Formats: sequence, structure tokens, C-alpha cells
Amino acid sequence: GAVVSQHPSWVICKSGTSVKIECRSLDFQATTMFWYRQFPKQSLMLMATSNEGSKATYEQGVEKDKFLINHASLTLSTLTVTSAHPEDSSFYICRGTVLGRDTFGSGTRLTVV
Amino acid sequence: GIQVEQSPPDLILQEGANSTLRCNFSDSVNNLQWFHQNPWGQLINLFYIPSGTKQNGRLSATTVATERYSLLYISSSQTTDSGVYFCAVEWSSNTGKLIFGQGTTLQVKP
Repeated sequence: GAVVSQHPSWVICKSGTSVKIECRSLDFQATTMFWYRQFPKQSLMLMATSNEGSKATYEQGVEKDKFLINHASLTLSTLTVTSAHPEDSSFYICRGTVLGRDTFGSGTRLTVV
Repeated sequence: GIQVEQSPPDLILQEGANSTLRCNFSDSVNNLQWFHQNPWGQLINLFYIPSGTKQNGRLSATTVATERYSLLYISSSQTTDSGVYFCAVEWSSNTGKLIFGQGTTLQVKP
């Protein structure tokens, strides 16, 4: 089945630093990758949609300069949280799709101290 | 945008009991999925069910698209069924975006 490998699983970083999260589609080519954020005991909120080779489309209220998304190849998409602050602490999860197949990464728990 | 509402928000069951989770949505959808999120955050797809009824073991789901709701049935619940259940809908055609409901947190007690 389709597998998306997401790394790291968890990360703790200092306030003001940047953190990169990677999602790799292992056995299929994800033409589209969706990025979600989930705060504790809340639902998954769509942050942005990225298509291979083009700029990401961000949902309303999501700062594109803070959450940098790169989808340079059909098998790799990255989310970089820049100048992280404690309020960015959350669970980030990616979802890869191609031709009706989709699968979620295992998520990254980010804690900013 | 589309609204996705799940009920109940929380549910506590004794092992062996049956339960029904509901998902209402405010507009026509191209697809609807039910997920189980385990304690580690992993989302497990349970059903793709834009309409009709499907069954998989102790789980079954029914979507009545014309009335804009879906139901997830869990029979003979087990402690391993505990976790958060989400329904998610694909609203706009060809975008592939999934919009999630707020979830139902299920706790099954031994």
C-alpha cells in the first residue's frame, strides 16, 4: 500500500529557531501533498496544499512566510517552521495523494520551548 | 465553506457495548472518509464512503448523501477501539482537500 514516511516524529526546539519536517512518499509519487496542524484535543486543520514543482497554496489565516513548504520532487515535500514560537507547538501531519490514492504520514510533534 | 459536525464529542462505553457515531455535513461532497486516530497520532482510514453502506468486521458505516450525514457503527466494542474518530469530507471537486470534523473521543472501559 501507499506509504508516506514523515520525520522527525517529534522535535523540541528553542524559540526563534527553525524546524524542518520531511514527508517522503515511499512507494508512489505524490503529486499533491497536504499539510495539516492539530492542537491538543482538537481537529486537524488544513494549512496548505503543495503540488510538485509549483508554489504551495495556503489556507486563510496561515502565514506563508512562517510555514515554508517545498515540494521539489514527486517523492519529497518539506514544511519548515521558521522562527518558531511556543504557540507553534502542535502536531503536524502530511497527506500525500496521487490519482485517488492517499495516505497520511505518522505526524511530527513539535514543542517549542 | 463546508461545515462538518460530529456527535457526540465524547463517548464512554463498557467493553462489549455497541455505539453509533454521527457526522453531519452542510454541503454536497465528493467523498467522505472515517478515520481512527490512535494515541500516537497515526490516522487509520476506516472507510471511504461517499454513499451507501460498507462493513469491515465489527465496524460498519452508512452515508446518506441526499440527507448529508454519515454514521459509523462499532459493535462489541473492545478497549483497543479507544481513540478519536474523525470523519472528513472532500468538498470541492478536483482539489482533493479533506475537511475534518471535530472528532468523537471514544473510551472503552474493560
